[in-house]
Amino acid sequence: GDSVTQMEGPVTLSEEACLTINCTYTATGYPSLFWYVQYPGEGLQLLLKATKADDKGSNKGFEATYRKETTSFHLEKGSVQVSDSAVYFCALSTSYGKLTFGQGTILTVHP
Amino acid sequence: DTGVSQDPRHKITKRGQNVTFRCDPISEHNRLYWYRQTLGQGPEFLTYFQNEAQLEKSRLLSDRFSAERPKGSFSTLEIQRTEQGDSAMYLCASSLIQTTGSGNTIYFGEGSWLTVV
Repeated sequence: GDSVTQMEGPVTLSEEACLTINCTYTATGYPSLFWYVQYPGEGLQLLLKATKADDKGSNKGFEATYRKETTSFHLEKGSVQVSDSAVYFCALSTSYGKLTFGQGTILTVHP
Repeated sequence: DTGVSQDPRHKITKRGQNVTFRCDPISEHNRLYWYRQTLGQGPEFLTYFQNEAQLEKSRLLSDRFSAERPKGSFSTLEIQRTEQGDSAMYLCASSLIQTTGSGNTIYFGEGSWLTVV
């Protein structure tokens, strides 16, 4: 079945540091890939998405590229802020839109 | 566009009681999803509706769980005879499916926290 694996967390960084959160997936067919963010006590917000191989999703300084050859969708940001502290979920979607999530990565950014 | 709204946001109930959660999707979204999320885990799919038809149910959705979307708009998720293992956040989401494919964006509500004591 479909599955998503995220890097083990949590991740702790200083403000302005570079961020990479690894995500790999297993899926039948050609899934779309997503990164969602969850702030404390809130639901999930879509951060970015990519629907086909080599697509790059970007939003709020975050980027991720759909790599079919390595079945990966790593999340990157060049300079993190304290306000980026949250839980980040990688997910894939099958043809009818059901999402399969990774376990989440907790990011804490210190001033 | 007011987003996906869920009610109540928090519910504490005694074991054995029934609880019901309501979800109002984004207006005109034809797909509605329910997920469950426990602490430290990613959300897990429970069920989804296309308009008023329930098209798939996860094996996580035991016989004590029932979901409805009677008029293809709002949805309810009822849990009967709650157990402590039901304690989780129940997330509702919606999307507008206009074409085939997997790239349609799914929008989530803020969730309903259930604590069974």
